[in-house]
Amino acid sequence: DTGVSQNPRHKITKRGQNVTFRCDPISEHNRLYWYRQTLGQGPEFLTYFQNEAQLEKSRLLSDRFSAERPKGSFSTLEIQRTEQGDSAMYLCASSLARQAPFKETQYFGPGTRLLVL
Amino acid sequence: AQSVTQLDSHVSVSEGTPVLLRCNYSSSYSPSLFWYVQHPNKGLQLLLKYTSAATLVKGINGFEAEFKKSETSFHLTKPSAHMSDAAEYFCVVSDGGYSTLTFGKGTMLLVSP
Repeated sequence: DTGVSQNPRHKITKRGQNVTFRCDPISEHNRLYWYRQTLGQGPEFLTYFQNEAQLEKSRLLSDRFSAERPKGSFSTLEIQRTEQGDSAMYLCASSLARQAPFKETQYFGPGTRLLVL
Repeated sequence: AQSVTQLDSHVSVSEGTPVLLRCNYSSSYSPSLFWYVQHPNKGLQLLLKYTSAATLVKGINGFEAEFKKSETSFHLTKPSAHMSDAAEYFCVVSDGGYSTLTFGKGTMLLVSP
């Protein structure tokens, strides 16, 4: 069990550019979650997958955001036409489905910090 | 709708003294409640969770929390602080069923020698 990993750990981009983040969950975990954390705030839910199916999306996830989890393993989060307001820490978490989503323990990665100039 | 209020943005204690981090929640159903800790440059780690079993929940590293429905509170305590406890702590609520997690704004715990 090597834990949840996220790459890159830091990303600096210019406004208008596209960025993509990757999350590798704990190997046997079938649920994967994305959160966004801005300075001075707690994480906010963005979306989650069970296996390869994206089952819920927050209203925070605008049309510029897209997430995928092909083959139910790693996941990518892409932000198109980045804006300065997208600057935040993007967190990934995974869990093993035993109960309803959000009740079981989620294991978080270290996050990807995005800065949009 | 569910929400969480962490009553203190910062708490300072001396090593060896008790820790109290306060959390109040609002939930329409029977909530699940969690405390997570975030150390710098590390991922969030679950300390403990309440999911409608015993109201006094024991977690890792000597932390515990008591679910008080009448007060809508889920305060986190530890009898004796250690320097390694210095971190940011998040209280988290999830309504019953398939509701997402709602995090509080966090409480930064500072521990002085």
